Parts: sequence; C-alpha cells; structure tokens
Amino acid sequence: NAGVMQNPRHLVRRRGQEARLRCSPMKGHSHVYWYRQLPEEGLKFMVYLQKENIIDESGMPKERFSAEFPKEGPSILRIQQVVRGDSAAYFCASSRGRQTYGYTFGSGTRLTVV
Amino acid sequence: QQPVQSPQAVILREGEDAVINCSSSKALYSVHWYRQKHGEAPVFLMILLKGGEQKGHEKISASFNEKKQQSSLYLTASQLSYSGTYFCGTEIDAGNMLTFGGGTRLMVKP
Repeated sequence: NAGVMQNPRHLVRRRGQEARLRCSPMKGHSHVYWYRQLPEEGLKFMVYLQKENIIDESGMPKERFSAEFPKEGPSILRIQQVVRGDSAAYFCASSRGRQTYGYTFGSGTRLTVV
Repeated sequence: QQPVQSPQAVILREGEDAVINCSSSKALYSVHWYRQKHGEAPVFLMILLKGGEQKGHEKISASFNEKKQQSSLYLTASQLSYSGTYFCGTEIDAGNMLTFGGGTRLMVKP
C-alpha cells in the first residue's frame, strides 16, 4: 500500500521559471493538503483540496501560486515566476475524509531557486 | 492563529522523561501530534479529540485539556529513536485543515 507520493524530490529552478510539484494521495484518501516548510521552521498551511474542488486556500500567496486536484491524476502545486524566497520544502499530506483523521505526509519536494 | 509550543528545544539522556506543551488561543476540536526527523516527512503519532481524553502510544502519551485549550505530549523513558522535531497540529472544527505549531526539537543522547 503505497503512501503519499510526491515528485520530484528535488527541484532546481532559475528565477522567473515555473515550478510544478506533484502529489498522489494515499489510496482511499480523497483530501489533499499542501504545506510549506522553511529550514528549521514549522509547517505553514497553503491549500486544502478535494477532487476538482479547492476547499480552503487561505494560506496561498495571492499571486504566482495555484493548486489543483483534478478528477484524474495527481494534485499539482504550481509556482509561476519563481523567486529566491520560494525556496523551501513543500509537503503534501492526504487524509481519508472531512472527519478528523491523521494526515499521511509525502516525502516532500525540496525546491531551490537559483 | 498558530498554536504555541514549549519548550522550543530539549536535550535528554536516554531513559529520561520529557513533556512538550501546545497552547492555542482558540477553542479546539482536536489536537494532532507528529514527529519529524531531519530531512524526512512528518509522521503521525496520535489525535486527541475534545473531551479531555488521554491517549497512549508505546511510551509516548498525550492529554488534551479542552477548557485550557492545551495539549501535552509525554515521552517517558526516552530512547535514541525519539530524537526529532515534534509538532502539534490544531483543528478548530471537524474536517478543517491543521494549523501547526513551531515545533519542539528533542535530542536524546546516550
């Protein structure tokens, strides 16, 4: 039973390029959450999605960031025109439903903007 | 509003006990606890729902005081494998996303 799959594990982008981070939730999980983590800091909520729906995007920067979770395929976090400040680890987590369950986290994508 | 964790860091010898606290300024529906080792994903430890329950997981247990909006994680007879950063995540309503505290770095030395 594969866990939450994130790819790529490491991503290097030049300033101004686009970054696409992918997340396939655990089998049977229909809820996906994206968090950003800077070195030696906590997990900052970005967005909460269900299939074809954004439930809560209160943590997403208003510009350059977008997320989707299509009917088929993985959830995608897209960062356009990346800047050095976007460098961080981006974790995706999934859970079973809207009731309270523990999250299963993926191994993260470490984005470096040069 | 992010929950506040204390202490920020703690160093233990193997076999010693530790308590990590998590406080919220908002009424909570649940508190989750996770452990993250360096360079790895956070791993789920346990959930506590409002009602003041206490849970245990091997030698790691936790309590949730709903009235005080606080949770505490208890690590007894610590092992080297307990080293890592512990995060509490709080949920204000069932099915909302988790808001995580800043973390408590725990180092267990031989």
